[in-house]
Amino acid sequence: QQQVKQSPQSLIVQKGGISIINCAYENTAFDYFPWYQQFPGKGPALLIAIRPDVSEKKEGRFTISFNKSAKQFSLHIMDSQPGDSATYFCAARVGGSNYKLTFGKGTLLTVNP
Amino acid sequence: NAGVTQTPKFQVLKTGQSMTLQCAQDMNHEYMSWYRQDPGMGLRLIHYSVGAGITDQGEVPNGYNVSRSTTEDFPLRLLSAAPSQTSVYFCASSRQGANTGELFFGEGSRLTVL
Repeated sequence: QQQVKQSPQSLIVQKGGISIINCAYENTAFDYFPWYQQFPGKGPALLIAIRPDVSEKKEGRFTISFNKSAKQFSLHIMDSQPGDSATYFCAARVGGSNYKLTFGKGTLLTVNP
Repeated sequence: NAGVTQTPKFQVLKTGQSMTLQCAQDMNHEYMSWYRQDPGMGLRLIHYSVGAGITDQGEVPNGYNVSRSTTEDFPLRLLSAAPSQTSVYFCASSRQGANTGELFFGEGSRLTVL
């Protein structure tokens, strides 16, 4: 079964707009929720991450919002730029098991100039 | 600073052939893992290792074999390749410790099985 559900599958945003990607989970044993960014031909790289005791985390133009009661979290990219065009994956980790992330299916973001 | 190095980057196999995807990391990370990436499927865990001599199965282990004789290396073996194993394979490493959940990925190995 898919433990982390990600939507939308693809997203097209104009330069300067806000990109929003959503994820939902069921397993309450998850204790760490990272987002990874992947450019074509490259491996995923950590973008930003949050723990379930925090409702929001911001790093530059990237913000994670976390709703523990709804078991949902989302990535917001403010002032989206063409260089943000990439595939984004949400993920979740069970209690300290850094070697075993569960990933969403990914969102292909295209930011038009 | 090499990080996680995967070889080869591209490989074409015929059904039934065997091969090994190599993965090496120079960060002295305890944990290593292999994922496969397929369109619309995200990243799925194949096998992982929490240290030299210790390996375990992930979500999609069938058809793959791993070993970890050193901290640095974690090869993935396909014993008898099948078309369903056509995919992009990523090796990742991470440091033991609850406060650092970051995975460091290699650049991937694209495998086509005919």
